[in-house]
Amino acid sequence: DAGITQSPRYKITETGRQVTLMCHQTWSHSYMFWYRQDLGHGLRLIYYSAAADITDKGEVPDGYVVSRSKTENFPLTLESATRSQTSVYFCASTSDFDTGELFFGEGSRLTVL
Amino acid sequence: AQSVSQHNHHVILSEAASLELGCNYSYGGTVNLFWYVQYPGQHLQLLLKYFSGDPLVKGIKGFEAEFIKSKFSFNLRKPSVQWSDTAEYFCAVNLNSGNTPLVFGKGTRLSVIA
Repeated sequence: DAGITQSPRYKITETGRQVTLMCHQTWSHSYMFWYRQDLGHGLRLIYYSAAADITDKGEVPDGYVVSRSKTENFPLTLESATRSQTSVYFCASTSDFDTGELFFGEGSRLTVL
Repeated sequence: AQSVSQHNHHVILSEAASLELGCNYSYGGTVNLFWYVQYPGQHLQLLLKYFSGDPLVKGIKGFEAEFIKSKFSFNLRKPSVQWSDTAEYFCAVNLNSGNTPLVFGKGTRLSVIA
């Protein structure tokens, strides 16, 4: 089915471990985004990408790495997870950066112990 | 720095009451404005958006929002809420033609009670 899918949906890890959250979209949207959602902070942008091999930092990029070797995939890696990275992570995509609707995935809930 | 402010953290209403959720932004320049909704346990979905034309925009499920440029505001309204409107509502803004990504407010949780 067409859409945007995230995996895993739930993940528990330990401090210092590397974690990768996957995001895959089937619409061939140029733009993809990673947000984290935390109580009291709403959604904050971590990284975004305008096309394959083009990525840019958002508001809270520290501790995260992204790549975009293919248009449809936009993985987010936590190189050494910390407790402060416990959050719900949402991937989103759009074909129009300025006025287009963002289509969100179902979210990945990450707990760092 | 650009910011988006949502005045109410949590709003509790009875069914059939009218709703108004505030949103103000601090961007200088022409903006695009959005309201997204997140139902319990679900992902965000677009309610409505404004980028030009009539400042009163209508969205899905009976929601509307009014852009008041002089007040830097984009408040969300619904004349009569239903229990199914219980959700979290996010205002979001970006600069028109700025290639700036969406910035979201902190959200307002709406609880509708029977």
